[in-house]
Amino acid sequence: GQNIDQPTEMTATEGAIVQINCTYQTSGFNGLFWYQQHAGEAPTFLSYNVLDGLEEKGRFSSFLSRSKGYSYLLLKELQMKDSASYLCAVSRSDLFFGTGTRLTVIP
Amino acid sequence: EADIYQTPRYLVIGTGKKITLECSQTMGHDKMYWYQQDPGMELHLIHYSYGVNSTEKGDLSSESTVSRIRTEHFPLTLESARPSHTSQYLCASSVFGGNSYEQYFGPGTRLTVT
Repeated sequence: GQNIDQPTEMTATEGAIVQINCTYQTSGFNGLFWYQQHAGEAPTFLSYNVLDGLEEKGRFSSFLSRSKGYSYLLLKELQMKDSASYLCAVSRSDLFFGTGTRLTVIP
Repeated sequence: EADIYQTPRYLVIGTGKKITLECSQTMGHDKMYWYQQDPGMELHLIHYSYGVNSTEKGDLSSESTVSRIRTEHFPLTLESARPSHTSQYLCASSVFGGNSYEQYFGPGTRLTVT
């Protein structure tokens, strides 16, 4: 089985930095994905980590520690359009999604 | 840009009707998925397929059925719609066996059963 935990909601200020954590327990692991989902829309791919360490992609970075079953998504220079749900998903033979973290960016 | 399509985008239908939600992808992906998601809630995997003639049930029990006769097409059918089926249905596809298991999502079908 698998268990994925993320905070339900977070609020941050425009221009700031926010870190969204994800912890997981799973039998079998091929990597960890982060997806962004705006309300009423489909999820879109943000990042994929298969090895320990930090992957940077513009304003977004994702970190993975396989030994600790832990990942985080770091969003820098927050913009209002970053208000969305952020889904952590563990890859085994398929993707298993966490419940998502609803991020609200305020002026 | 992912090429995965779902029709209809919105559907309002009465109880007891049979409906088919269409999903097609032009990327030649082997694996395809159906998720159900209520507003503000998590994604639930209801069906998936590894390729033609392969269909499996997902984590969430669903009264729907699927078929995979062609690689590019993965329709979902509800024989008799009920109000409890009201939800958003998201189709996705991915490449099987590659280094990346990234899933590409379609735009979704928002179903309302009255």
